[in-house]
Amino acid sequence: EMQLLESGGGLVQPGGSLRLSCAASGFTFSSYAMSWVRQAPGKGLEWVSAISHSGDSTYYPDSVKGRFTISRDSSKNTLYLQMNSLRAEDTAVYYCATDPGGLLLDHWGQGTLVTVSS
Amino acid sequence: EIVLTQSPATLSLSPGERATLSCRASQSVSSYLAWYQQKPGQAPRLLIYDASNRATGIPARFSGSGSGTDFTLTISSLEPGDFAVYYCQQRSNWPPVTFGQGTRLEIK
Repeated sequence: EMQLLESGGGLVQPGGSLRLSCAASGFTFSSYAMSWVRQAPGKGLEWVSAISHSGDSTYYPDSVKGRFTISRDSSKNTLYLQMNSLRAEDTAVYYCATDPGGLLLDHWGQGTLVTVSS
Repeated sequence: EIVLTQSPATLSLSPGERATLSCRASQSVSSYLAWYQQKPGQAPRLLIYDASNRATGIPARFSGSGSGTDFTLTISSLEPGDFAVYYCQQRSNWPPVTFGQGTRLEIK
């Protein structure tokens, strides 16, 4: 069974940094592209980054470009999201998701909450 | 950026009724439109991909249709577990991938 387990969320001050992790199991991690999607409290879904199965290509929306970095370690079956220069509007539950191709998000983790506040 | 507009914002129906949810794109997304279901406190779940293909394990009462800019998710006969928020997502022209704002399906 495909499983994704996010961790690393918490409370951080504006301007601070945080690194999220997503541990994958039950499938061949290196065969899948991966994405991060976030959901602010009471709001809808926002895609925040994607990485190819090899890790060679990464993609971001303008809202996080230059502040967030997605990466992966296939030896550890783990996806990461390094978040810098955090803002109050980055407060959200962050989900990782598998992508069999073309940004189709077919399996999701349960999410980790990031709160940016002083 | 492609904007997806879902309607209605809230749909109130009873178990056993038919639900019809709409998603309209600001420009053509061909058939690269997916639907997700999200229940309170849970992660989204993929229901439909490429406009009309059910994801693995999704019951046949869920169906999708449309192409270009207009899409529909239909639930033929609502069960209690179907009351949730539904999002559409386009992956035709990215980055960025975009989602609709969601339709809340509530029990009448």
